[in-house]
Amino acid sequence: GENVEQHPSTLSVQEGDSAVIKCTYSDSASNYFPWYKQELGKGPQLIIDIRSNVGEKKDQRIAVTLNKTAKHFSLHITETQPEDSAVYFCAASKGSGYSTLTFGKGTMLLVSP
Amino acid sequence: NAGVTQTPKFQVLKTGQSMTLQCAQDMNHNSMYWYRQDPGMGLRLIYYSASEGTTDKGEVPNGYNVSRLNKREFSLRLESAAPSQTSVYFCASSVDRVGDTEAFFGQGTRLTVV
Repeated sequence: GENVEQHPSTLSVQEGDSAVIKCTYSDSASNYFPWYKQELGKGPQLIIDIRSNVGEKKDQRIAVTLNKTAKHFSLHITETQPEDSAVYFCAASKGSGYSTLTFGKGTMLLVSP
Repeated sequence: NAGVTQTPKFQVLKTGQSMTLQCAQDMNHNSMYWYRQDPGMGLRLIYYSASEGTTDKGEVPNGYNVSRLNKREFSLRLESAAPSQTSVYFCASSVDRVGDTEAFFGQGTRLTVV
């Protein structure tokens, strides 16, 4: 089955800096890669996703890049703010019709004012 | 819209007791899922259901049973709770069709087995 590795497990940055979280996946058939943000005491919420026919996707301060050859994808957050502090999860799935998500172990991002 | 609603939010069980975690979604989604979240382990899939009347095992199904009661509801049952089942449980749902696979999560149930 699919295996998703996520690094780093914790990341501390100063407000205004950029943050990068990286994930690798094992199943070359995976073609859908979402990123979820989980705030304390809440369920994960989708913040951005990318499909294998696209190399990069941006949404305001966040962007995701995908390298299918190397089987890795990354989340980039620019101009970080304290409210970006949360746990971030990457995931992978085959994304076509019925499928299930395999999650990475998560990255705790702390943005200090 | 409520989205995905889980009940209860918190529960303490004694070893050997049984309980059912309830989940309902109001988005007319086809697929529903149960995950558990443990520190440093991410989200691991327990069971999932592609449609009403069908269920399949995920990565960590032992000790659990599920029922897809109708399109809206998907329950998770612990027949004889064990301390190893202390965790936060999340229910999720998705449309699951080509090009539309976003999963929506509930707020979670924090379960402690003593």
